Amino acid sequence: DADVTQTPRNRITKTGKRIMLECSQTKGHDRMYWYRQDPGLGLRLIYYSFDVKDINKGEISDGYSVSRQAQAKFSLSLESAIPNQTALYFCATSDYGQGAFFGQGTRLTVV
Amino acid sequence: DAKTTQPTSMDCAEGRAANLPCNHSTISGNEYVYWYRQIHSQGPQYIIHGLKNNETNEMASLIITEDRKSSTLILPHATLRDTAVYYCIVRGNTGNQFYFGTGTSLTVIP
Repeated sequence: DADVTQTPRNRITKTGKRIMLECSQTKGHDRMYWYRQDPGLGLRLIYYSFDVKDINKGEISDGYSVSRQAQAKFSLSLESAIPNQTALYFCATSDYGQGAFFGQGTRLTVV
Repeated sequence: DAKTTQPTSMDCAEGRAANLPCNHSTISGNEYVYWYRQIHSQGPQYIIHGLKNNETNEMASLIITEDRKSSTLILPHATLRDTAVYYCIVRGNTGNQFYFGTGTSLTVIP
């Protein structure tokens, strides 16, 4: 089983719909992140959380919200999806002073 | 967190060593150098990280200059499966994110 699991792996949704992307991890890390990647570009941070009671905005948080339900679970929601949110979304976890471990990504298409 | 500069793309012959450079001239004393790679559209994969000493693991070696303003990731015997985008990232332990930039696209040629 993967250390960082994202569901769904692929999703097509309509403009205006609310959608949730889920992430769970078995590494026991406190820190979790949501990134977005557009074609040909690097990853950009949406939100991050250093523990269950800590939620922080990243560089592109507008139009997104998150929930840290437990140490192992961090969900990303698009309140009202729009086409320019079509992208590849990655969840990651890390521990203090260590590298981050990424999930396999969720490919989201908003039509 | 300090920013990094990497070449956009590189080629390497299969079986040869791939040397990927990274400049991080504004790195501060408590910031580490991390390397990741991303194969096609998979999740980025952690490769190695270091502070000031050279590091080696089963995947690669990391050489950091004495002034810490640049580093080189070395894949000792590149294979076709090493074709990927390689990201050099500088981050302190209290840093809130890993800044990925656009990385170096490495193509290993048969």
